[in-house]
Amino acid sequence: KAGVTQTPRYLIKTRGQQVTLSCSPISGHRSVSWYQQTPGQGLQFLFEYFSETQRNKGNFPGRFSGRQFSNSRSEMNVSTLELGDSALYLCASSATGPFYGYTFGSGTRLTVV
Amino acid sequence: AQSVAQPEDQVNVAEGNPLTVKCTYSVSGNPYLFWYVQYPNRGLQFLLKYITGDNLVKGSYGFEAEFNKSQTSFHLKKPSALVSDSALYFCAVRDVAAGNKLTFGGGTRVLVKP
Repeated sequence: KAGVTQTPRYLIKTRGQQVTLSCSPISGHRSVSWYQQTPGQGLQFLFEYFSETQRNKGNFPGRFSGRQFSNSRSEMNVSTLELGDSALYLCASSATGPFYGYTFGSGTRLTVV
Repeated sequence: AQSVAQPEDQVNVAEGNPLTVKCTYSVSGNPYLFWYVQYPNRGLQFLLKYITGDNLVKGSYGFEAEFNKSQTSFHLKKPSALVSDSALYFCAVRDVAAGNKLTFGGGTRVLVKP
């Protein structure tokens, strides 16, 4: 059973640019969540999608957006990049129901210069 | 709102000694609790979870955790630590009343010295 796949693994962008990160969940998982991990802030929840609908949203500016497709694959987009957006972005998928934990991808390391 | 606290930023332990990583939580309803481990430049790996039932939960790699409702704690334990257990550990809670979101603690770095 394939795990959660995130692409690309590494990304270097210039301040002001925009970036799109991709996440393919485990087959059959309809819930996809995104987290930002930084040394100072720990794991910060960005948003969660379920069946193409955003179900939860964290406390991030509108520059951070996401979407989910009918095959449950998800993308997140960050526009007008700032230096502080440099982080490891983690995607996680989950089966339906509160009893299930998340399965995480290896993350995308974004560096903004 | 649900929250998780991991009071120790780092735990140092000698190889072969018992390892404990502390976690306390706050939720409005019944808690669903999880422990994850993260190795450098990798995503989080699931260790174990508490949903209901026996307060002592056994998980991967010899880890176990004890759920204590009165103290709202879910401490992670391992009887005999290995150098390879050195990693970053996260406790997480899901409050069903607040949706499907997992809320994570700040993480505890474990350093096991030979």
